[in-house]
Amino acid sequence: RKEVEQDPGPFNVPEGATVAFNCTYSNSASQSFFWYRQDCRKEPKLLMSVYSSGNEDGRFTAQLNRASQYISLLIRDSKLSDSATYLCVVNPEGGTASKLTFGTGTRLQVTL
Amino acid sequence: DAGVIQSPRHEVTEMGQEVTLRCKPISGHNSLFWYRQTMMRGLELLIYFNNNVPIDDSGMPEDRFSAKMPNASFSTLKIQPSEPRDSAVYFCASSSRTSGRGTQYFGPGTRLTVL
Repeated sequence: RKEVEQDPGPFNVPEGATVAFNCTYSNSASQSFFWYRQDCRKEPKLLMSVYSSGNEDGRFTAQLNRASQYISLLIRDSKLSDSATYLCVVNPEGGTASKLTFGTGTRLQVTL
Repeated sequence: DAGVIQSPRHEVTEMGQEVTLRCKPISGHNSLFWYRQTMMRGLELLIYFNNNVPIDDSGMPEDRFSAKMPNASFSTLKIQPSEPRDSAVYFCASSSRTSGRGTQYFGPGTRLTVL
């Protein structure tokens, strides 16, 4: 089983739609969780952290379910500029200097 | 401020040749990571350094791969000899204690093609 699993997509949605991605992780001792965004032929960039209580950043909402070991990302009112690959990321050890484990990503395509 | 700098941006070489990828982390960052990304396997961590010391190289595929960090502002990833299956995008990333948990800053990557 992969350490971090995501549906590769692509998710094709019209502008203005709400779309949700899920991700599961295998290591129950994992400490912290994140979503990164990667545009085509670019480097990954941190989108947001994921907290147990859930957190929101504008149109983006992230949720963590430790009991079921899954993480979700909800995007409301999708924009064309949201088209990208979204990477689910787990830090199994905690701390800023430890390694991150990346999922293979979910591709989102927002259309007119 | 300059981000993570990688060179070259593109490299095309023939099987058996030595390839050296270079990375300059963000000034003041004390952790440096080398990743490889392919369509099939996604983003894989190869090796990471803290304060110029290799901490975990369990992701390095085999002895053909080696990485060094001689000082806080420079790291290299070397493949010798290169093989077609090494073709991928290689990213370098850096972070610091103050950059926040999970925050790694990636360079633009080196797109390697081994013929």
